[in-house]
Amino acid sequence: RKEVEQDPGPFNVPEGATVAFNCTYSNSASQSFFWYRQDCRKEPKLLMSVYSSGNEDGRFTAQLNRASQYISLLIRDSKLSDSATYLCVVNIRNQFYFGTGTSLTVIP
Amino acid sequence: DVKVTQSSRYLVKRTGEKVFLECVQDMDHENMFWYRQDPGLGLRLIYFSYDVKMKEKGDIPEGYSVSREKKERFSLILESASTNQTSMYLCASSLLTGYGYTFGSGTRLTVV
Repeated sequence: RKEVEQDPGPFNVPEGATVAFNCTYSNSASQSFFWYRQDCRKEPKLLMSVYSSGNEDGRFTAQLNRASQYISLLIRDSKLSDSATYLCVVNIRNQFYFGTGTSLTVIP
Repeated sequence: DVKVTQSSRYLVKRTGEKVFLECVQDMDHENMFWYRQDPGLGLRLIYFSYDVKMKEKGDIPEGYSVSREKKERFSLILESASTNQTSMYLCASSLLTGYGYTFGSGTRLTVV
């Protein structure tokens, strides 16, 4: 069983839409959580950490549900520039595990 | 900003060749990592290092070795390249254990 599971998508949404991605993890010993963004043929870049109380950065909101072992990323008012693959990352005993990513395309 | 530099963006090597992939970071990070990324499989950890001269196997170390002689440099070595090692290789570093990673721009290796 994979440590981290993501719906690969693709998600195709119109500009201005709200879109949400979920990611589930299997290990209850998971310590910290992140969302990374990866553009086509580029390296992953840290988008935001995910805190227990939930956190927001502009149009992006991350949530953690430890009881159900999932994290989520909500993007409001989608922009064309949000088109990318979003990777869920879980830190288990100081080793990072990456989801395979969810592909988002924002359509004009 | 932390910069992680990988020596080559694209490489083409022949089966059986010894291949060196170099990675240098400029912010005195303790931890360095090598991943490979393949479609449908995501990022998989090959080796990592928490200190100079220290190395630990990740999930898929077979066919690879690493070297960390200096804190800023972490090299990945393919002892005898094979076609199934064709992949995107990503180096990453982090300040301390549990902190977010900064990735290099990747090396797309093709073994023919």
